[in-house]
Amino acid sequence: SAVISQKPSRDICQRGTSLTIQCQVDSQVTMMFWYRQQPGQSLTLIATANQGSEATYESGFVIDKFPISRPNLTFSTLTVSNMSPEDSSIYLCSVEGHNQAGREQFFGPGTRLTVL
Amino acid sequence: EDQVTQSPEALRLQEGESSSLNCSYTVSGLRGLFWYRQDPGKGPEFLFTLYSAGEEKEKERLKATLTKKESFLHITAPKPEDSATYLCAGSSGGYNKLIFGAGTRLAVHP
Repeated sequence: SAVISQKPSRDICQRGTSLTIQCQVDSQVTMMFWYRQQPGQSLTLIATANQGSEATYESGFVIDKFPISRPNLTFSTLTVSNMSPEDSSIYLCSVEGHNQAGREQFFGPGTRLTVL
Repeated sequence: EDQVTQSPEALRLQEGESSSLNCSYTVSGLRGLFWYRQDPGKGPEFLFTLYSAGEEKEKERLKATLTKKESFLHITAPKPEDSATYLCAGSSGGYNKLIFGAGTRLAVHP
């Protein structure tokens, strides 16, 4: 299984500022995914990030608000831009893995963001 | 529209009281049905992937089953440490996009 770390683990930010969240994986992976989990809600996919190409965003999410970088096969960043209190959420990155039992998708520990 | 619905929203069990959680899905071209456990303040922990109707997988006190319309997570003789939110998700499309249900919050009391 993949081991995923995220930085920061939590942050409190002021309205109008931006925060960059880092995701590091202990093995090379083709695709990395960024999810959002709003308070009391389930997970929603923000975008899929492939190394060497533009991220693919889901409906309701745009690059200007959530720019993503994927400089290599073990690392990605998600920036939450021009934040408002509605952006207060847990942001999670995930990667896909394969073993003899089939496909798995592993999640990092999450970044808990509070916007004041 | 692809959708995953979990029931019940919350479940309270006594230790040793077996039960089942339900996950109904309408996901076109389903490529896998995933179950996760999530503890407060942590990321989801992978449990199972099911691929075809009739498939079953087990891990300790948990057993997941899949039909053409729904999946069940059976918990046998649960312990307080099984208390968590259990999430199911359907995978569709050409890549591994997961569509999550809202989860079932399970509390097991001694």
